[in-house]
Amino acid sequence: GNSVTQMEGPVTLSEEAFLTINCTYTATGYPSLFWYVQYPGEGLQLLLKATKADDKGSNKGFEATYRKETTSFHLEKGSVQVSDSAVYFCALSPSGGSYIPTFGRGTSLIVHP
Amino acid sequence: NAGVTQTPKFQVLKTGQSMTLQCAQDMNHNSMYWYRQDPGMGLRLIYYSASEGTTDKGEVPNGYNVSRLNKREFSLRLESAAPSQTSVYFCASSDGRNTDTQYFGPGTRLTVL
Repeated sequence: GNSVTQMEGPVTLSEEAFLTINCTYTATGYPSLFWYVQYPGEGLQLLLKATKADDKGSNKGFEATYRKETTSFHLEKGSVQVSDSAVYFCALSPSGGSYIPTFGRGTSLIVHP
Repeated sequence: NAGVTQTPKFQVLKTGQSMTLQCAQDMNHNSMYWYRQDPGMGLRLIYYSASEGTTDKGEVPNGYNVSRLNKREFSLRLESAAPSQTSVYFCASSDGRNTDTQYFGPGTRLTVL
């Protein structure tokens, strides 16, 4: 079946540090890939997505590139802010069947001033 | 445009009590979903409705029932609550294609004593 594996947290960084959160997936065909962010006490919201191989999704300074050869979709940001503190979820939506998404377990990011 | 709304925001039940969680979306989406979020477990799909008039089990359906009342509304019912159902419940909706973003409600925090 489909699966998403992302690095365990928490990830703790100082403001302006470089961020990488690793995400790898298992799926047949060509799934769509997503990063969602969850701020404390809120629901998940889309951060960025990529729907085909080699696409780069970007938003709010975050980027991720769909790498089919390594089945990865790592999230990066060059300079994090305290306001980026949240839980980040990697997810895939399969290319066939019912399109039901599969989520990773989430990675907590804590950014200190 | 309210997006996805959920009621109630918080609920405390005693073991054996029943309740219904309500969800509505105003984006004319075809598909709706119920998830539960537990610490360290990420999001787990309880039930989903690919389109009006259909419902299907997800990963953890035991102890729950759903109703897709119309295209806008999708409710989740706990017939006899158990402490293991203490969780945060999220409703989501999408157009149902694999490239589509899921839009999440703010969540219901349920405690079963």
